[in-house]
Amino acid sequence: AQKVTQAQTEISVVEKEDVTLDCVYETRDTTYYLFWYKQPPSGELVFLIRRNSFDEQNEISGRYSWNFQKSTSSFNFTITASQVVDSAVYFCALSEGNYGQNFVFGPGTRLSVLP
Amino acid sequence: DAGVTQSPTHLIKTRGQQVTLRCSPKSGHDTVSWYQQALGQGPQFIFQYYEEEERQRGNFPDRFSGHQFPNYSSELNVNALLLGDSALYLCASSARDRAREQYFGPGTRLTVT
Repeated sequence: AQKVTQAQTEISVVEKEDVTLDCVYETRDTTYYLFWYKQPPSGELVFLIRRNSFDEQNEISGRYSWNFQKSTSSFNFTITASQVVDSAVYFCALSEGNYGQNFVFGPGTRLSVLP
Repeated sequence: DAGVTQSPTHLIKTRGQQVTLRCSPKSGHDTVSWYQQALGQGPQFIFQYYEEEERQRGNFPDRFSGHQFPNYSSELNVNALLLGDSALYLCASSARDRAREQYFGPGTRLTVT
C-alpha cells in the first residue's frame, strides 16, 4: 500500500532563514510520481512540483529546491531565504500506476515564517 | 481561462441530512476527482469520474456518491450526514492524457451539526 509521511507537524522560522520540509514515501510500484502542494489559508491547493520515479535529478526553481532520493524513499523540499508569504501548509503526495487516479497525501507540515 | 470552480463555498447541515456539492472543471479537462480534507489532515481521495463513470474509488462508504455530466462537471452527494463528515471537500480536474496534472478548486467547507 502507498503511504506518505511528513514527520514535521509544524515548523517556525524567522524570515530569511532556510527551511527544509521532509517527505518519506512508501510504494511497491516501480512507476510513481511525487508532488508537493502548498495550501495557503484560502484553502486552495497550489501545485509546486511533480517528479516521476525515473528522474532523480534535483530541481531548483527560484528559492525552491527539491531533493529526490530513491535509496531513502525521500523527496524533501527546501525554501531558501524564506519569506512571510511562504507561510502555509505544505503537502507531499504520491501517485502510483499509469493513470494517476489516486493521489495519496501526507498529513502536511505547517510552516510559519515570522517577520 | 477559468480554473476549477466549486459551489457552494460554505455549507451547514444537520446530522442525517443529505448534501450535494458541485464542481466545474478547468477548461479542457474531462476528469474530475473528489477529496475530503478533515481539519489538520491531508486530503483523502474519495473517487474519480471520467466519461461519466466512476473510474476509481477510495475507502469511503456508499453514503458518498457522485455523478459526472456530459459537460464534465461533477456532483458529490453525501447521504445520512454524520458529524465526522465535517471537512473541506476539494475537487480536482485533469485532462485524460495528463491525469497527474491535477488542478484543485478552492473547496467547499461542510459543517455538520
